[in-house]
Amino acid sequence: NAGVTQTPKFRILKIGQSMTLQCTQDMNHNYMYWYRQDPGMGLKLIYYSVGAGITDKGEVPNGYNVSRSTTEDFPLRLELAAPSQTSVYFCASSYSGVGELFFGEGSRLTVL
Amino acid sequence: AQSVTQLDSQVPVFEEAPVELRCNYSSSVSVYLFWYVQYPNQGLQLLLKYLSGSTLVKGINGFEAEFNKSQTSFHLRKPSVHISDTAEYFCAVSVDGGSNYQLIWGAGTKLIIKP
Repeated sequence: NAGVTQTPKFRILKIGQSMTLQCTQDMNHNYMYWYRQDPGMGLKLIYYSVGAGITDKGEVPNGYNVSRSTTEDFPLRLELAAPSQTSVYFCASSYSGVGELFFGEGSRLTVL
Repeated sequence: AQSVTQLDSQVPVFEEAPVELRCNYSSSVSVYLFWYVQYPNQGLQLLLKYLSGSTLVKGINGFEAEFNKSQTSFHLRKPSVHISDTAEYFCAVSVDGGSNYQLIWGAGTKLIIKP
């Protein structure tokens, strides 16, 4: 049972480059989330989705975009990478908006 | 605005000693409460949750937490820790955001087990 799968696990970007973090879940969950984790700051919500075709901004959406064309996939796009986007990114999914979140293993991104 | 405060950024404790990790939240409405654990270089996983009913909640790996509505707290406890409990622990609160429940996260507490 794969759960939530994120790729890549590590990536180094130059300032101004773009990239997409991939996230796939096989639990048929409607809700999916992208968080960033910075030391001592907990988790900050970037974007979330309550179902295919529906996305909404979280607490820190600037510099990011998402799409949700299928229930399984929820990619996060970084346009024009900046050093402030250096972070660990986590994708998560849940069956309902109140229930348990299932997390991927994270993607560590460094922007130089 | 709702917030979650984890009062200690790090808690060092000797192996086999008891531990309490503190969590306080600010909310005037009904909430759902969670503790998640993050082992080194891994994602987060659910330790326990309070949705309703008994205020004492038991979770995995021998952890438990008590919901105290009057003190707006949800402290995590374990009577005897093991070296394998070394991890970062996050408290989270789910509040009704109108169109969707919003999960508010604490900054995390690193549990350091001393042999």
